Amino acid sequence: QQQVKQSPQSLIVQKGGISIINCAYENTAFDYFPWYQQFPGKGPALLIAIRPDVSEKKEGRFTISFNKSAKQFSLHIMDSQPGDSATYFCAASKDTGRRALTFGSGTRLQVQP
Amino acid sequence: GAVVSQHPSRVICKSGTSVKIECRSLDFQATTMFWYRQFPKQSLMLMATSNEGSKATYEQGVEKDKFLINHASLTLSTLTVTSAHPEDSSFYICSARDRRGVYNEQFFGPGTRLTVL
Repeated sequence: QQQVKQSPQSLIVQKGGISIINCAYENTAFDYFPWYQQFPGKGPALLIAIRPDVSEKKEGRFTISFNKSAKQFSLHIMDSQPGDSATYFCAASKDTGRRALTFGSGTRLQVQP
Repeated sequence: GAVVSQHPSRVICKSGTSVKIECRSLDFQATTMFWYRQFPKQSLMLMATSNEGSKATYEQGVEKDKFLINHASLTLSTLTVTSAHPEDSSFYICSARDRRGVYNEQFFGPGTRLTVL
């Protein structure tokens, strides 16, 4: 059972544009939602995370929007740059107990110069 | 801060041999470490959860006798792939959770590329 669905699978954006990646979750017990960035051959790096008590969180060019009622959250990358070209994974977990992350399937972002 | 290292970064071994991968949290203590496996162009698949001083919890379908996990201290967890075979070739990544973390921030290591000939 895929508990976190991520779309699109791939995304091409022009430099300076906005990249938007969406995720939907099923388990209402999830209460921690991070986004990770991964470059080829490297481990994922934590970008930004949100908890369901807020609807939006912004850090630099990265913004998470969270809709608890729809069980959806999204990552917005403003002013996308070629250096942002990577694979992005959303994830979700409970913030108690084992706290294992459930990952989405990933989105390969390509920012064209 | 929040740096996790893995060693080795790459390993090539012959079929039937065992390989040990180390995961260290360099600047924080980790109550829990997680081990993932990632195939090319796919997502991360959780293999097991490791807590310091206790037995690891394996995900369904992961052979605990094949993938031995030891979490001997708050900064070190090891994954040993025993009697490795070509189908075990993959990218293995660990993550660590800071024991002082307010939320569930998990920090990933750079990964270990295992190739079994």
